[in-house]
Amino acid sequence: DTAVSQTPKYLVTQMGNDKSIKCEQNLGHDTMYWYKQDSKKFLKIMFSYNNKELIINETVPNRFSPKSPDKAHLNLHINSLELGDSAVYFCASSQSDLGEQGGTEAFFGQGTRLTVV
Amino acid sequence: DQQVKQNSPSLSVQEGRISILNCDYTNSMFDYFLWYKKYPAEGPTFLISISSIKDKNEDGRFTVFLNKSAKHLSLHIVPSQPGDSAVYFCAASGTGRRALTFGSGTRLQVQP
Repeated sequence: DTAVSQTPKYLVTQMGNDKSIKCEQNLGHDTMYWYKQDSKKFLKIMFSYNNKELIINETVPNRFSPKSPDKAHLNLHINSLELGDSAVYFCASSQSDLGEQGGTEAFFGQGTRLTVV
Repeated sequence: DQQVKQNSPSLSVQEGRISILNCDYTNSMFDYFLWYKKYPAEGPTFLISISSIKDKNEDGRFTVFLNKSAKHLSLHIVPSQPGDSAVYFCAASGTGRRALTFGSGTRLQVQP
């Protein structure tokens, strides 16, 4: 039973299209994240939601819009896809806000490899 | 501005020997540090962590050391096994930084 699952695993689409990536966690965590791993393999935070409230919105084009219908789901919608959006996108969750003292780990999904052609 | 740095992109060791992976950070607000392991086509998997109030944390074959004055941490794997071959990411979090900040990763190859 996968803890953090994201779909699809692979996504190939043409420039200009709109696509969504879905993420669900069954860990009962309060906080969820979207990370992007670029061609240089850096994992960079894009968005974070805590109990359905947006708490992190890094410098990401507004073509990217996260949506959290409930605290177990965090979907990523991308409008007008561009070649530079090709990357692996990882969803993650953590029990509490990672900024809280004491620290906690985040659990990651398997990733969605997005290829824009 | 890389706040977490892994300066060795790759490391190769013999099976049974010790693997030492290094990580440096620049942000003094970081107070919790983690190591993740990643296989191809999979998500990062949590391996071990350490709080800034400690200087060592051990879990089986894996030990993480933290040197706060040097802003340096290391992951020791002993003995190394072929199944340990993966990319290892160092990550950090802290008060006011509500997400993990990752290093660029070190690819470990354990030779049988």
